[in-house]
Amino acid sequence: ETGVTQSPTHLIKTRGQQVTLRCSSQSGHNTVSWYQQALGQGPQFIFQYYREEENGRGNFPPRFSGLQFPNYSSELNVNALELDDSALYLCASSLVSGYYGYTFGSGTRLTVV
Amino acid sequence: AQSVTQLDSQVPVFEEAPVELRCNYSSSVSVYLFWYVQYPNQGLQLLLKYLSGSTLVKGINGFEAEFNKSQTSFHLRKPSVHISDTAEYFCAVSVSSASKIIFGSGTRLSIRP
Repeated sequence: ETGVTQSPTHLIKTRGQQVTLRCSSQSGHNTVSWYQQALGQGPQFIFQYYREEENGRGNFPPRFSGLQFPNYSSELNVNALELDDSALYLCASSLVSGYYGYTFGSGTRLTVV
Repeated sequence: AQSVTQLDSQVPVFEEAPVELRCNYSSSVSVYLFWYVQYPNQGLQLLLKYLSGSTLVKGINGFEAEFNKSQTSFHLRKPSVHISDTAEYFCAVSVSSASKIIFGSGTRLSIRP
C-alpha cells in the first residue's frame, strides 16, 4: 500500500512568480486536502477536492487554486507569490467516508525570496 | 466554528518519565478528535483518533488519550517517554470523518536523558 507522495520536496521561488505543487494520494483514497504550515505553527486548511471538484475552502485568497485528476492525484497552484507564502505545504488524502482519518505526505517546503 | 487550544507550546521531560500534553476544543456540534505527531522535517503521522465509543483511546507508540466531553478536553498521555518521542504534537478536530481538520498550534515535546 503506497502512502501520499508529494513533489518536489523543496522549492525556491521569487516573489511574483507562480508555483505548482503535486500530490499523489494513497491508493483507494478519493479525497485530497491541502494544508499550509508556516514555521512554528499548526497546519492551516487551504481546500479539499473530491471527484475533481473543490469541496470546501479555508481562508485563502483566490490566487491559491487547485486541481484533482481522475486518478485522484492533485495539484496546488499559487500565483503572484508573496514572501508570506513561504511554508511547508502538506497534502492529505482520505476516503469521503474516512473512518480511518487522513494520511499526510511529507510536504513541500516552499521558500519565496 | 470549531477551534483547538493546546495549552503548552513546549513540554520538557526526562526520559522514562510520564507525560501529558493538554488539548481543549470548542465546538457547538459533535466532533471527531485526533492527535498527530510531526518529526523534524517530516509530514504528519496519525497517533490516535476518537470518533465514538470508549472515551479512552489507545494509539501507536504507547500513547493514549481520553475524551472528556464535559471539559471539552482530549489530553494525550504516555506513561514512560523515550528519546525517540522528541517531536511536535498536534491536537486536531473535525466535524465529520472527512471534512477539514482544524489543528492546534502544536506542543513541542523535548526529552532529556
